[in-house]
Amino acid sequence: GAGVSQSPRYKVAKRGQDVALRCDPISGHVSLFWYQQALGQGPEFLTYFQNEAQLDKSGLPSDRFFAERPEGSVSTLKIQRTQQEDSAVYLCASRHSIGTGGPYNEQFFGPGTRLTVL
Amino acid sequence: AQSVAQPEDQVNVAEGNPLTVKCTYSVSGNPYLFWYVQYPNRGLQFLLKYITGDNLVKGSYGFEAEFNKSQTSFHLKKPSALVSDSALYFCAVRVNYGQNFVFGPGTRLSVLP
Repeated sequence: GAGVSQSPRYKVAKRGQDVALRCDPISGHVSLFWYQQALGQGPEFLTYFQNEAQLDKSGLPSDRFFAERPEGSVSTLKIQRTQQEDSAVYLCASRHSIGTGGPYNEQFFGPGTRLTVL
Repeated sequence: AQSVAQPEDQVNVAEGNPLTVKCTYSVSGNPYLFWYVQYPNRGLQFLLKYITGDNLVKGSYGFEAEFNKSQTSFHLKKPSALVSDSALYFCAVRVNYGQNFVFGPGTRLSVLP
């Protein structure tokens, strides 16, 4: 079965350039998360969607970061005027919010997009 | 604020020996604890979780973890390590009123043949 997919897998940007990272969650998964994983560290939460609603964006590091999920499925994370400190792997995860586990179900992660800002 | 600690950056174990990867947490409220494994250039793969009930949780690939409330720990264990278990392991916690995970810094497990 199809898992979470992300594109592109690798992105090299010049400092100041805008980038857009795409996430295709597992079909039917209501919840979608974005995480940032710096080299040698654990993932850090960026933002959370339930369907098309962005319910938590407390982890976005600056107003240069923007995420959307307009139809409640595919999500895009946009970074404007990229800086070197934005270099990281950006992970997307989705979660099935119904069933016995409900909101305590595990998140399913995509392979990530490795962003390198020169 | 909730946090997760993985006190060992690196764990080395010989193939066939038991392995333990340590995790401690700090939360207010009921903790919901997860272990994930990450192979190179791949996303995180779910191993197991503790929500409620038995303190010993069994998961994928022969892994298990023991929830210890008094010690605020959730150590990952496997009775007999395989070389293919070599990877990066992350402990994560979700507090009952939150939605996202808080991850530990990760522990690199190397199983030596």
